[in-house]
Amino acid sequence: SAVISQKPSRDICQRGTSLTIQCQVDSQVTMMFWYRQQPGQSLTLIATANQGSEATYESGFVIDKFPISRPNLTFSTLTVSNMSPEDSSIYLCSVENAYEQYFGPGTRLTVT
Amino acid sequence: AQTVTQSQPEMSVQEAETVTLSCTYDTSENNYYLFWYKQPPSRQMILVIRQEAYKQQNATENRFSVNFQKAAKSFSLKISDSQLGDTAMYFCAFRVTGANSKLTFGKGITLSVRP
Repeated sequence: SAVISQKPSRDICQRGTSLTIQCQVDSQVTMMFWYRQQPGQSLTLIATANQGSEATYESGFVIDKFPISRPNLTFSTLTVSNMSPEDSSIYLCSVENAYEQYFGPGTRLTVT
Repeated sequence: AQTVTQSQPEMSVQEAETVTLSCTYDTSENNYYLFWYKQPPSRQMILVIRQEAYKQQNATENRFSVNFQKAAKSFSLKISDSQLGDTAMYFCAFRVTGANSKLTFGKGITLSVRP
């Protein structure tokens, strides 16, 4: 397994601003994933981040809106840019080890 | 494309009793993994159990076991001796083996354990 931490755990942001979410893992991993989850709903994959290469985005998500950094094998950031109330959600970081994925505690974002 | 279906949005069970959560999936692949994840209210998502498609034996983890029916593409989770701490949202998930494969989630089911 892996121990994953995220910062911040929650935030309330104003429309039009940006928020950067940090994800730290206690071991080196090749692939990191960013998901979005509406409360009470399933998870939607935003992008996959490999160290040393550009993130791969899923349909409906673009780099200008959700830029991702992956500077090393234990850390990644997701920025939610030019936020609107529709971006209010829980954002989760995840890593994979031996075909199993492990999840961070999530960042609960509210946009007003 | 792979799909995962959890048709029951909610279930309730009495403490100490057994409950089964249903999941079906659709794929043309032969080699894959199936998972059940648990997400307690306002808490972190954790992996409950994993099943490799090539294994005929159903996976078991303490009070949690699966009924894997590959031909029927069914993957149900049985929770025995339900405890209040089992109250959570449960997600069934599917992943094809191989690099760059993504995890596909079902919509989830909310399980409530009654005291």
